[in-house]
Parts: sequence; C-alpha cells; structure tokens
Amino acid sequence: KNQVEQSPQSLIILEGKNCTLQCNYTVSPFSNLRWYKQDTGRGPVSLTIMTFSENTKSNGRYTATLDADTKQSSLHITASQLSDSASYICVVRVTGFQKLVFGTGTRLLVSP
Amino acid sequence: SAVISQKPSRDICQRGTSLTIQCQVDSQVTMMFWYRQQPGQSLTLIATANQGSEATYESGFVIDKFPISRPNLTFSTLTVSNMSPEDSSIYLCSVDLGLETQYFGPGTRLLVL
Repeated sequence: KNQVEQSPQSLIILEGKNCTLQCNYTVSPFSNLRWYKQDTGRGPVSLTIMTFSENTKSNGRYTATLDADTKQSSLHITASQLSDSASYICVVRVTGFQKLVFGTGTRLLVSP
Repeated sequence: SAVISQKPSRDICQRGTSLTIQCQVDSQVTMMFWYRQQPGQSLTLIATANQGSEATYESGFVIDKFPISRPNLTFSTLTVSNMSPEDSSIYLCSVDLGLETQYFGPGTRLLVL
C-alpha cells in the first residue's frame, strides 16, 4: 500500500534555531517527492521537488534531502523565523499517474 | 506558475443545505483536482475534473454528494450537497501544469452546523 509517514507530528522550536523534519514513504513506483508548506487557513505552497536521481535541493533556508534507497526524505530549516510556523507536508507522486500520496504533515511552531 | 482563486473563502451552513465552491485559474489547464482536508488531517483527493468529460471520483466519494462542473479550461465548481457536520472541512482545488508541480488554491473553509 502506498503510504507516506511524517515525524514528528508536531514540533516547537525557538526562533533562530534549526530543525529537521522526516518523511518515510512506501510509494512505488516513485516519480518525485515534494515538500509543501501550509499556513493555517491557506492552501499548500511548494517548497521543493526532487526526482529519483536528486538527493539534495535547497530553497533559501529550506533544504530537502532524498535517499531513494531507504525511501526517506528530510526537510531541514535553518535559522528559523516566526513565519516558518506552519504545517509541512511531504507528498510523493506515483510514476505514470497523476495521483499524489500525502503525508499527514508536521505542525511546526516557532516561538519567539 | 498558476494563480488560483476560490470562492467563498469560508462559509457556515446549516445541515441539509448545499454549497457550491468556485475555482478560477489564471491559465488554461487540462486537469483540475478537488481535495478535502478534514480538521487535523492531510489532503484527500475527491475527484479529478477534466474539461469536456465527466469527473473521475475517488473511492468513497460519489457524484450525487459532490457534483462537479468543468465548463471551460480555467474554471470549475464543486458542490457539497445535503451537508452534514461531517462535511466540515477545508476544500481545495488544485491544478497540475505538467511541470511536476501541483498548485493549490487558498481553500474554502466550511463549517456545517
């Protein structure tokens, strides 16, 4: 069964600190993996997208990694800001289909 | 990229009534998607809407409950029919531009009393 699991479910960090969010997936065949940021009451916004051959991709203070062998991805946030408070969703696309498999998200709160 | 707008942004409805949600995209797209996000949950695909054909519904979702229109390549509507409190969710439309990135609208927050 295609599944995407994320950890932790929620996280509180102090402003300025770094954090890493985890994503494990069992999706097969794998096309690409995306990380989205979803602010409260808003739609998800894409942060990064990685294909099978990519193992690192950055977008400003966000850096995503992918290990296709172990089927794990991480999202590292550097020097966190209050505006980083949001849910972060890991999404995997199945090859040959338009379907996306969504993780349940990690809710991040950056505290002043 | 794509700019997607939804109307209404939020609504409070009485059980037994219906609500139609509109989704407008600033460019022509072949496929549009409707998702539901229940409180504290991730997104669940309701249906895929192609222009000129019937929408394709995912398991657990039926046309009588969630009728969809797709009159042209930039617009779609989702109706939530005969609502119950269990339908309280955020409803999002989404488009795939074929560039391996899916864009989401801002969502419609629905509360059914």
